[in-house]
Amino acid sequence: DQQVKQNSPSLSVQEGRISILNCDYTNSMFDYFLWYKKYPAEGPTFLISISSIKDKNEDGRFTVFLNKSAKHLSLHIVPSQPGDSAVYFCAASGGTYKYIFGTGTRLKVLA
Amino acid sequence: NAGVTQTPKFRVLKTGQSMTLLCAQDMNHEYMYWYRQDPGMGLRLIHYSVGEGTTAKGEVPDGYNVSRLKKQNFLLGLESAAPSQTSVYFCASSYPLGGAGGPHQETQYFGPGTRLLVL
Repeated sequence: DQQVKQNSPSLSVQEGRISILNCDYTNSMFDYFLWYKKYPAEGPTFLISISSIKDKNEDGRFTVFLNKSAKHLSLHIVPSQPGDSAVYFCAASGGTYKYIFGTGTRLKVLA
Repeated sequence: NAGVTQTPKFRVLKTGQSMTLLCAQDMNHEYMYWYRQDPGMGLRLIHYSVGEGTTAKGEVPDGYNVSRLKKQNFLLGLESAAPSQTSVYFCASSYPLGGAGGPHQETQYFGPGTRLLVL
């Protein structure tokens, strides 16, 4: 049973437009969420996080929104740039030492 | 400051062979993790450690063993490799917000990965 789901395996967006990546979770005990970005042949790198006490967190072009009632979070990238092309993973934790990762969404930003 | 390093970068094994993957971090992090990444499966936790001398099982621990004899190193062992263990293995480390023992971790820092092929 997958507790963290990224239902879109891939997404293509024009340069300069908004990219919206979605993530759903099933475990109501999750209270901390992160997004990671991964380039080919490299390890994932941290992008942005959000605690369940917030519904929005911003860092430059990246904003994460959390809807606890819907158990849904999304990552917005505005404006999208070709260098944003990568695989994006969401991850969730519920007060333990472990994170559960989604399956990833491959973003392609077209120049 | 090298961050998280993994050795080797790539390895081919025959079924039944054994090997050890080494992860090293120079950030004095308390927590260390081993994940595997398979197509369509995301990252799955194999084993983790919350401190020197302690280890615990993750989601997919079968067929693997780990040791954390030194704080900076976390070893992943395959005693008898199987084709199902063909994967990309990532090590990560982190330090908890508010100090050791806190339930919420700071972000995990990942190594570059080890690609393992078992024939």
